[in-house]
Order: sequence, then C-alpha cells, then structure tokens
Amino acid sequence: GAGVSQSPSNKVTEKGKDVELRCDPISGHTALYWYRQSLGQGLEFLIYFQGNSAPDKSGLPSDRFSAERTGGSVSTLTIQRTQQEDSAVYLCASSLGNRGRVEKLFFGSGTQLSVL
Amino acid sequence: GQNIDQPTEMTATEGAIVQINCTYQTSGFNGLFWYQQHAGEAPTFLSYNVLDGLEEKGRFSSFLSRSKGYSYLLLKELQMKDSASYLCAVSLFSGGYNKLIFGAGTRLAVHP
Repeated sequence: GAGVSQSPSNKVTEKGKDVELRCDPISGHTALYWYRQSLGQGLEFLIYFQGNSAPDKSGLPSDRFSAERTGGSVSTLTIQRTQQEDSAVYLCASSLGNRGRVEKLFFGSGTQLSVL
Repeated sequence: GQNIDQPTEMTATEGAIVQINCTYQTSGFNGLFWYQQHAGEAPTFLSYNVLDGLEEKGRFSSFLSRSKGYSYLLLKELQMKDSASYLCAVSLFSGGYNKLIFGAGTRLAVHP
C-alpha cells in the first residue's frame, strides 16, 4: 500500500475483554514495529518483526500482550484481559529491513484504545 | 538502561527561531532521528544524524555531538503549522537490526 495502515482507528472495550489491533505495512517493507503512546508520553517500544519472526519482543509489558505476523506482511497485536492502564495509542511502523542498516520508520496513524 | 531527555513544552512566535534540545544516555548508538507529530496524527520523519555536525534541510536543521550525547533541532521562520510535538529518537543495534528508542517529545506551540 501507499502507507502504513492500522485498524481500527478507535477501539473502546470493557475491562477484561480481549482486543486485536491490526497493522498493514508498506508493501515490500520487511521490518515492522509496534509502539505504545500514552497520553502526553513518548513512544514506548513494544516489539519488532523481521519477516515473520520477532528478534526483539523486550518491550511487551506483560504476558497479556502478544503479536504475530503472517506472510511477512500484516501484523496483529493482541491484548488479553484488557486493563485500564492499557488505554493508549498503539502505533505501528515499518521500514525496508536491510540488516545492519539504520533506516527511518514510516508510521501509521495508530489505534486509540480506551478500556472502560 | 536507556535515557532520552527533551523539554516537555516550548512556545515561540511566528517568524522566529526555536531550538529544541535532546540529551541521551544509551547503551549503543547508531544514529539520532527527529520526528514531527501533529495531534492525532502519525509521526513523520524530519531528520537523521549519524556523524557530528549540522544537517540542514530547508527551514529545519539538526545538530549532533556524540561525545556529549547531545542533539538539537532548529526550526527557522516559524509558521503556525509548526505547532506540533517533536520527538527525538536514538537508533540502537539489537538482534542484528536497528530499533528506535524515543524520548517523551517536546510540544511546541507557535503563537501569532
């Protein structure tokens, strides 16, 4: 696609429910990143993928958070048994993914998650 | 641990110049990025420094001193549309690839 696409743009859920957030990266980008941005805060790194594997998932806050990527393209971030502190904007980004090279990231517009 | 510091908020006048500072203490360094983020929108790339010195790109310039762990973003001839958050990010080598670690961002308000 022309840019990184995320869905839904907004998600309101009840505490304890599971949610799935989707990211469709730029076509041809093999690297994919998930970040979380709480109100007034910076971007908190969660996980990144190279192809379908995740070399670095050190930022996932707890075992309620998981992510997968299939076909080297679309990624899904799943939050189980959501808590109010999970409320934030979840941003996805992608880059070409050339090993060892420093690359700029292209971001999607994010999913605003609100846990009531 | 990784630490990236930048001021929380700044204000400036239309047509003026503003400098947004960023200091970092990180384990590893492969480069420093600046991103702009308007409220409710995706962050967009502004500049990248890997060597010491000044990189100029139109009204925007970015400076890096690796020995001091310091960078700044300079915005000239400020326009109202420059009101946004400016995010400083350090590129770190991890697992064979690079990842960006972000500061909390500086919210800039440009007044007439």
